[in-house]
Amino acid sequence: GNSVTQMEGPVTLSEEAFLTINCTYTATGYPSLFWYVQYPGEGLQLLLKATKADDKGSNKGFEATYRKETTSFHLEKGSVQVSDSAVYFCALRTLAGSARQLTFGSGTQLTVLP
Amino acid sequence: GAVVSQHPSRVICKSGTSVKIECRSLDFQATTMFWYRQFPKQSLMLMATSNEGSKATYEQGVEKDKFLINHASLTLSTLTVTSAHPEDSSFYICSARAGGGDTQYFGPGTRLTVL
Repeated sequence: GNSVTQMEGPVTLSEEAFLTINCTYTATGYPSLFWYVQYPGEGLQLLLKATKADDKGSNKGFEATYRKETTSFHLEKGSVQVSDSAVYFCALRTLAGSARQLTFGSGTQLTVLP
Repeated sequence: GAVVSQHPSRVICKSGTSVKIECRSLDFQATTMFWYRQFPKQSLMLMATSNEGSKATYEQGVEKDKFLINHASLTLSTLTVTSAHPEDSSFYICSARAGGGDTQYFGPGTRLTVL
């Protein structure tokens, strides 16, 4: 079956530090890969996505590259801000099965200190 | 972007009572809605998928008689936890997808505590 393994948190960084949150996956077929972000008190929001191998998703300074050979989709940002403090979820979706369902990782809490 | 709301945001109830959680799409028509459950420090686990006007499709291991889902309109789905017990305490999250669309929009979640 499908699964997503995410780096355990919490992660605490100083402002302007480099961020990496690791994500690896197991899937049948060719999944699309996603990063969602959840700010305090809000719903999950799509941060970025990649639909095929070697694609790079990017948004708000965050990037992740779909690496089929290592089954990974690590999230990176060169210089984090206090406003990036949130929970980050890696997810995948395959077309197999019904409803194009998302499979999520366990989430990584990021806290950025001023 | 599209907004999905959930109500209530928190609820505390006594064991044996039933609790209803509402999920609304505020500015789009949601032909499909999803209900997830999240335990502390764990993944979001899909409970069921519902299409407007149809019976919900439940994931394996989810009791359909305990978690009643109604998707009566294109903007509203409800999850009712019947005869709640302390082990039902969790964070429940809904998401909605417009017809023909590919993006799921998530609600902020409902924290249920059963005493």
